[in-house]
Order: sequence, then structure tokens, then C-alpha cells
Amino acid sequence: GQQLNQSPQSMFIQEGEDVSMNCTSSSIFNTWLWYKQDPGEGPVLLIALYKAGELTSNGRLTAQFGITRKDSFLNISASIPSDVGIYFCGGRGSTLGRLYFGRGTQLTVWP
Amino acid sequence: NAGVMQNPRHLVRRRGQEARLRCSPMKGHSHVYWYRQLPEEGLKFMVYLQKENIIDESGMPKERFSAEFPKEGPSILRIQQVVRGDSAAYFCASSPPGSGNTIYFGEGSWLTVV
Repeated sequence: GQQLNQSPQSMFIQEGEDVSMNCTSSSIFNTWLWYKQDPGEGPVLLIALYKAGELTSNGRLTAQFGITRKDSFLNISASIPSDVGIYFCGGRGSTLGRLYFGRGTQLTVWP
Repeated sequence: NAGVMQNPRHLVRRRGQEARLRCSPMKGHSHVYWYRQLPEEGLKFMVYLQKENIIDESGMPKERFSAEFPKEGPSILRIQQVVRGDSAAYFCASSPPGSGNTIYFGEGSWLTVV
């Protein structure tokens, strides 16, 4: 099946710092989705991207759909303690409806 | 997560019993997906269904697991003769028709097999 490589696997940062994580794929996707998951909860959608080159913001979060349609990144600016959690990227191709996921980035924010 | 309803949230079963997990998609969504998540791991695709049709079940184990999404009522993920290795969080997600639409997740059902 298609593989999504998400990096980094984990990040330990201080409150106020900016964060960047990315996903790459061996295949072209027509949709990139970024989710955050807290312990014991389901993934919550943060940002949805539908066009190559698209740059979308949601508060302190910014995500981009790569021009090649094989990658996406998520930036978090001025991190705060409640940003702690696992961030997943997801990609959907044009022929299958399923969403492929990266393995997640575990974010820890020190006060 | 608002709108995709999963129940039960937590389920304990003894080895050999059956587990049934239910998912009601968001209003207007006709596509349902089931994912499994083991502790400290990512989300693994299991099955993709539309009403009365299984579109992609390539992630489903060949035995003991089945899924349905009937014309009326919720989608059901059924695990027969559960084993300890089935202990995991099972997430349902839904989307409107079309490959370019957003997928929303429920809060999950945590299955523990004792």
C-alpha cells in the first residue's frame, strides 16, 4: 500500500517556540489533512488542503499542500502547553477513498 | 469530532466472545471508514463502506472481522471470537461522497480483551 513518511517522530520544545513537521508520500494525493489526537480521544481535524500549492492557516497553525502533490507540512507558531499531543498527516488519492496516515509526530511542550 | 457517534466508548470482552462496535456517521455523510489504533501506534485502515456496499476491505483481517453499513442504521464492525491481540482503539470516520472531501473521526471505541 501507499506509504506516508511523517517526521519528526517526536519533538520536545519550549513554550513559545515554533514547530514544523512534514509528510511525504511515494504517490500523488489530491487531499492532505492534518489531525491532532489527545490521549483517549479521536483525531480532530486541524486543516484540510485540496489544491497543490495551497497554503491554509487556522489560528497559529499553517499547512501547505506541496507543489508535487507528494508532500505537506504543518507549522505551529508560538507553541503553548495545550499544543501537546500527537499530530497526524493524512492523504487521499484520486482513485481510492481511503485516507492514508503517517505514523504521527508526538509533540511535547515544556512550560 | 462532532457528529460522528461511536458506541460503546469502552468495551471489555473475554477471549472467545464477540465484540460489536457501532458508528453513526455525520448527517449527510454516506461514506464510513474504520481504523484501528494500537497503543503508541498510528491509525491503520481497515475498511471503507458506503451504504450497503463494501468499497475497500483491504485492511481487514481475513478471519473473524466483518463490517457492514446497512441502508438503515449505523455501521457495525463485528469481531468474532476475540483474542487479546484485538485489544485496541477502533475509530470510525465519515465523509460526504467524493474523493476530495474531508474525513471526520468519532471519539473511538476502546476494546479490551481479557
